[in-house]
Amino acid sequence: NAGVMQNPRHLVRRRGQEARLRCSPMKGHSHVYWYRQLPEEGLKFMVYLQKENIIDESGMPKERFSAEFPKEGPSILRIQQVVRGDSAAYFCASSPPGGQPQHFGDGTRLSIL
Amino acid sequence: AQKVTQAQTEISVVEKEDVTLDCVYETRDTTYYLFWYKQPPSGELVFLIRRNSFDEQNEISGRYSWNFQKSTSSFNFTITASQVVDSAVYFCALSEFSGNTGKLIFGQGTTLQVKP
Repeated sequence: NAGVMQNPRHLVRRRGQEARLRCSPMKGHSHVYWYRQLPEEGLKFMVYLQKENIIDESGMPKERFSAEFPKEGPSILRIQQVVRGDSAAYFCASSPPGGQPQHFGDGTRLSIL
Repeated sequence: AQKVTQAQTEISVVEKEDVTLDCVYETRDTTYYLFWYKQPPSGELVFLIRRNSFDEQNEISGRYSWNFQKSTSSFNFTITASQVVDSAVYFCALSEFSGNTGKLIFGQGTTLQVKP
């Protein structure tokens, strides 16, 4: 979808395990955004990153969640010690400098057993 | 505070009917973007339109049209002669220029069901 690649498409974890979600932005895009969509809800902003920098993490839960966008490789959203409430669809979007327009990946559906 | 409200949770129409999805937003910025996205049952997000706050011209793209009214802080979306393939969840979103983060604030979404 618009060149933003997210994997895996579906991820199943047991409570207490770690979940790693990957996002490769569109070619030429240096800005990455992560959003979370809980069941039956709209998308909520989590974090905004540029290469090697977290610019805005105002939407990230204070514990267990972290994100990075290294100089080389995809952006990673990491959830440690997952709980049932982490079950959601996690979308990544990328943009050129300036932040617009954002192109979304197909999302990762995280299910916690 | 930034906020996007889509008051209609679910709408059901019969094919070929026209349908309007409402979107009302709140922002303190004078410069901002508004968006509509479509999320079909397969789950991906499909970009439909972006409008900046300085451009109040209505836009038409095929069966889709958008009515942006700054005076009422609304950005409504109309589908003319709806089709079954239009069945999806539609999200309205806002992005402010200030802070230059570009993050999107989404409404709760409107689920549109078009019956044959």
